[in-house]
Amino acid sequence: GNSVTQMEGPVTLSEEAFLTINCTYTATGYPSLFWYVQYPGEGLQLLLKATKADDKGSNKGFEATYRKETTSFHLEKGSVQVSDSAVYFCALGNNAGGTSYGKLTFGQGTILTVHP
Amino acid sequence: DAGVIQSPRHEVTEMGQEVTLRCKPISGHDYLFWYRQTMMRGLELLIYFNNNVPIDDSGMPEDRFSAKMPNASFSTLKIQPSEPRDSAVYFCASSFRGDTQYFGPGTRLTVL
Repeated sequence: GNSVTQMEGPVTLSEEAFLTINCTYTATGYPSLFWYVQYPGEGLQLLLKATKADDKGSNKGFEATYRKETTSFHLEKGSVQVSDSAVYFCALGNNAGGTSYGKLTFGQGTILTVHP
Repeated sequence: DAGVIQSPRHEVTEMGQEVTLRCKPISGHDYLFWYRQTMMRGLELLIYFNNNVPIDDSGMPEDRFSAKMPNASFSTLKIQPSEPRDSAVYFCASSFRGDTQYFGPGTRLTVL
């Protein structure tokens, strides 16, 4: 079945540091890949997505590239801010059909804390 | 555009009481999902609907939980009777044709 493995947290960085949160997946077919962000007390928000191999999703300075050869979708940001402190979830979409079509498989989430 | 709307935002109840959580998906979306989030278990998918029909309810913890979607713009998740271990944040999400899911703000449930 589909699965997502995320880098374990928590991750603590100083402002302006470089961020990488690793995400690897197991899936059949060619799933869409997503990064969601959850700020304290809020629901999950879509941060970025990629729908096919070598696609790069980007938003708010964050980037992730769909790497089919390494089954990875690592999240990166060149210079983090205090306001980026949140929980980040990697997710895999099941668009291969069948009874699980439309479901997302989430990683366990990575807590990011950025200090001034 | 209005996003996914959930009510109430907070619910405090006593053990044994019935609890009903409500969700209005984004207009035009044909998939609706109910999730539960706790510190111990993380984010869990409880049930999801396609065109108002339940597709997969394997995540529903037990018979005390039930969900309905009487029409394309409304869904409920009911817990009867509620127990303290049901305390969690419950999220509703919707999507169009199984693509990106959009989450509501959640209902924080506390069962005393």
